[in-house]
Amino acid sequence: AQSVTQLDSQVPVFEEAPVELRCNYSSSVSVYLFWYVQYPNQGLQLLLKYLSGSTLVKGINGFEAEFNKSQTSFHLRKPSVHISDTAEYFCAVNQAGTALIFGKGTTLSVSS
Amino acid sequence: DAGVIQSPRHEVTEMGQEVTLRCKPISGHNSLFWYRQTMMRGLELLIYFNNNVPIDDSGMPEDRFSAKMPNASFSTLKIQPSEPRDSAVYFCASSLTQISGNTIYFGEGSWLTVV
Repeated sequence: AQSVTQLDSQVPVFEEAPVELRCNYSSSVSVYLFWYVQYPNQGLQLLLKYLSGSTLVKGINGFEAEFNKSQTSFHLRKPSVHISDTAEYFCAVNQAGTALIFGKGTTLSVSS
Repeated sequence: DAGVIQSPRHEVTEMGQEVTLRCKPISGHNSLFWYRQTMMRGLELLIYFNNNVPIDDSGMPEDRFSAKMPNASFSTLKIQPSEPRDSAVYFCASSLTQISGNTIYFGEGSWLTVV
């Protein structure tokens, strides 16, 4: 069975600092990996996804993620965060024939 | 283009009452998903449909929950009778197909409080 573990429930950072949100997955077969963002009182929206090919994936709002098959990880990074990046971030995985399974989320809090 | 539309956005109801949540997926999308979000359990998949047919309902908590998709543009999630532990945000989402790797688009959620 597939599963997703987000290693940090909360990540506080200062504005303009770099950030990394960690995600590990487990699956016995090839998977597709996603990062979604949820702003307060809103639904989730896609930041980026990895399907195949280059292991470095670029998404919206300056975020990127790197797929590491040997470490079964898909960490999300941004070199310089803004106050507006404050939100909940979800890593998700699915494999062929299954629906998307989400991690428990990481709350990113950016302060000035 | 209109996204996934959910109603009601907020509902407060008394324990024992029936609750019906509604969803209109993005036009042309063939797969529809219902998720529940709580602080304790995070985002859980309740059920998903493909071409209006339920494919996996293993996440539906118990018989009090039921979901239908009578046509390609409408789905309901019903709780009868409701209990305080059902308080959560319920998200409907849709995707073009059920093929893995497709982007799932979420509605803004229905915030349910059962008192």
